[in-house]
Amino acid sequence: GEDVEQSLFLSVREGDSSVINCTYTDSSSTYLYWYKQEPGAGLQLLTYIFSNMDMKQDQRLTVLLNKKDKHLSLRIADTQTGDSAIYFCALNAGNNRKLIWGLGTSLAVNP
Amino acid sequence: KAGVTQTPRYLIKTRGQQVTLSCSPISGHRSVSWYQQTPGQGLQFLFEYFSETQRNKGNFPGRFSGRQFSNSRSEMNVSTLELGDSALYLCASSLAGAGFSPLHFGNGTRLTVT
Repeated sequence: GEDVEQSLFLSVREGDSSVINCTYTDSSSTYLYWYKQEPGAGLQLLTYIFSNMDMKQDQRLTVLLNKKDKHLSLRIADTQTGDSAIYFCALNAGNNRKLIWGLGTSLAVNP
Repeated sequence: KAGVTQTPRYLIKTRGQQVTLSCSPISGHRSVSWYQQTPGQGLQFLFEYFSETQRNKGNFPGRFSGRQFSNSRSEMNVSTLELGDSALYLCASSLAGAGFSPLHFGNGTRLTVT
């Protein structure tokens, strides 16, 4: 069935760039999303990309999509301590267009 | 525009009881989805309602049910609570439905079953 995989943890130094990766199996996905979850809160939509795009930039965020390798990444430039959170990738898949979610990557930003 | 509102924020219930959670979507959004989030299982999809009809359903037992009203507000009910139902329950609304437009989440209801 459809699957989305993410590494569980990432640790970076403040000011460095962070790259969070996601691989998926369903090649028919049309929307691919990145969400951020801070402790005790719901999920916040960060950005999303359509499957006919390779890249999308939004201020400090850059999303790259490699459809051939079924690989999605989120780059956060100049990472700040406020970026510490769990980041989820999700994509629509299957005939019923359900959203399939990764387990989330916990980003720790060290001063 | 007001965001997605979930009430209550916290609930403590005893095994065997039932509980009802409420979700008010963003104005104009016709789709409401419900998720269960636990540390071990991640985000698990419960169901999605669109214009008062259940559009999709996850793999949860019949103790979990939901409904959507004509104003798009939604409720989720869990009957005969079990300890394993302790989780953060998240509601999300979208304009055209999950899979067709982005989901916008509320802050969740934290349910603790003792």
